Amino acid sequence: AQKVTQAQTEISVVEKEDVTLDCVYETRDTTYYLFWYKQPPSGELVFLIRRNSFDEQNEISGRYSWNFQKSTSSFNFTITASQVVDSAVYFCALSSNAGNNRKLIWGLGTSLAVNP
Amino acid sequence: KAGVTQTPRYLIKTRGQQVTLSCSPISGHRSVSWYQQTPGQGLQFLFEYFSETQRNKGNFPGRFSGRQFSNSRSEMNVSTLELGDSALYLCASSLARGQGFTSSGANVLTFGAGSRLTVL
Repeated sequence: AQKVTQAQTEISVVEKEDVTLDCVYETRDTTYYLFWYKQPPSGELVFLIRRNSFDEQNEISGRYSWNFQKSTSSFNFTITASQVVDSAVYFCALSSNAGNNRKLIWGLGTSLAVNP
Repeated sequence: KAGVTQTPRYLIKTRGQQVTLSCSPISGHRSVSWYQQTPGQGLQFLFEYFSETQRNKGNFPGRFSGRQFSNSRSEMNVSTLELGDSALYLCASSLARGQGFTSSGANVLTFGAGSRLTVL
């Protein structure tokens, strides 16, 4: 079965702290894609990153970084020096074609509150 | 370019009524996916339309239906509303199929701001 687990339901930090959002996935596929999306209070989800299963390089984009480890089936997201504008719900998702059944499987999300 | 537009943004209905929600995708995008978002269940996939055909469907009762027009605009309909249908309904568009991936990779979804439905 395919599954995405975001064990942290809510996280609260003070501005400028670093914070890591965990994402653990389950799949038997050898080819798959992983995503992170951000949902600010306005409601629309915003794409942050896409990674395929063959690319385990970590990625850094400004204050954001992602650590993809196939050995532990994790795709964790770190925000360095958090800011109030980072307050949002963050979703991790797994794209799969298992058995020709195309799916995008979502975690339940982690609500991040960055306090001034 | 314009983003994904969903209308109406907010609506209130009573049990037993029906509702139609509209989604205009980004120009050129042919795939529209619909999601229901509730605090307890997270994002639940409803269905995906591509080139006017439903390509994929989630585990929702037949009261939930949708369609896509030739200009890629999509509507979803919920009949005989129940209290549990209260949710944020999100629409997402993508160039190619939004669910799963092709040899070109997995497509990025661009979401609208959603339609918040309250059923009383």
